[in-house]
Amino acid sequence: KAGVTQTPRYLIKTRGQQVTLSCSPISGHRSVSWYQQTPGQGLQFLFEYFSETQRNKGNFPGRFSGRQFSNSRSEMNVSTLELGDSALYLCASSLLADRGSYEQYFGPGTRLTVT
Amino acid sequence: GIQVEQSPPDLILQEGANSTLRCNFSDSVNNLQWFHQNPWGQLINLFYIPSGTKQNGRLSATTVATERYSLLYISSSQTTDSGVYFCAARWDSGTYKYIFGTGTRLKVLA
Repeated sequence: KAGVTQTPRYLIKTRGQQVTLSCSPISGHRSVSWYQQTPGQGLQFLFEYFSETQRNKGNFPGRFSGRQFSNSRSEMNVSTLELGDSALYLCASSLLADRGSYEQYFGPGTRLTVT
Repeated sequence: GIQVEQSPPDLILQEGANSTLRCNFSDSVNNLQWFHQNPWGQLINLFYIPSGTKQNGRLSATTVATERYSLLYISSSQTTDSGVYFCAARWDSGTYKYIFGTGTRLKVLA
């Protein structure tokens, strides 16, 4: 099976612009989670989608949004970019297996630089 | 809130040495994973281990859920083991999210 894919892998944007990142989960996985990784804050949860519904959202401003499509692919959008949004954005997909096991598999990430 | 703590934060080893990385969590978990992040940022799954012990080659892990900790053992370390090791824990209490520890940065010297 193909792994989790993320596009683009690298992105440079200017402050004030918006950006859309894409994630394709492992075939058959219906849950997609997004994380932001920065040197200062570590790995922080952004949101999780399951069957096109956002089930939880992390402590991020409303400029961060996401959605999931019927084929489980997900996008996240950041509007009005700030310098502090420069980070590695990681997507993970999960298959809810027996007895609540919920193992995550990560994509390679999108490295966003805001100048 | 719920917290995940890892120790030590940094570790330097000579090639061939053994090491133990620890992950403490502040509440009951029903999902726990260990990852290795390579220099390119990719998080590689090492173990999914909400309880018990697992082994995979030179690596093994043990989670004692009742005492709220997990251990990752690396034996006969190699330079390719260098990188950052994360544990992540999830509580299925309606929050639907994994909480990551701050990681252990391991450097193995040749």
